[in-house]
Amino acid sequence: GQQVMQIPQYQHVQEGEDFTTYCNSSTTLSNIQWYKQRPGGHPVFLIQLVKSGEVKKQKRLTFQFGEAKKNSSLHITATQTTDVGTYFCAGQGGSYIPTFGRGTSLIVHP
Amino acid sequence: DTAVSQTPKYLVTQMGNDKSIKCEQNLGHDTMYWYKQDSKKFLKIMFSYNNKELIINETVPNRFSPKSPDKAHLNLHINSLELGDSAVYFCASSLLDNDEQFFGPGTRLTVL
Repeated sequence: GQQVMQIPQYQHVQEGEDFTTYCNSSTTLSNIQWYKQRPGGHPVFLIQLVKSGEVKKQKRLTFQFGEAKKNSSLHITATQTTDVGTYFCAGQGGSYIPTFGRGTSLIVHP
Repeated sequence: DTAVSQTPKYLVTQMGNDKSIKCEQNLGHDTMYWYKQDSKKFLKIMFSYNNKELIINETVPNRFSPKSPDKAHLNLHINSLELGDSAVYFCASSLLDNDEQFFGPGTRLTVL
């Protein structure tokens, strides 16, 4: 079945440093979604990528979808303490069964 | 107004008991989901309902049964609870099955 690998599992950064999390799928995806879960909270949708090679930006966040539609990344520029949380990617294949990566927990040190 | 709501927020129970978790969405979405998040934060999809029809049924024990009385509700019933069932259970909904998902606040289930 479809598997989505996400790395790293944890990332500690000093406030102001950049952060990147990566997702790789074992199969070609129809789309990939990114979610953020704050400690004690629930996943909140950030963005969906559909097109091969697509790049989308939300303020300091940059999302990329690979040319082969099997990998994706989320990059945060100049992290802030409000960025703390776990970032999940979720890939959907032809059956649209969402498969979540294991998440990357971002810890920002002030 | 809460888009996706779940009750209860916390549930503590003994092994062997039967319990239900309720989920309601007021977004008019067609698809609803149940996820289990373990202590390592792994989000695993359990069920999905689209227009009251089960379209995903992952390899979860048959002690778990989703029940959808109408398009706005997807309840999760669990029989004969086991220690390993302890987790946070999230309900979610989406307009279509390839759209963004809106998650509920979660139900923390603790089995003693």
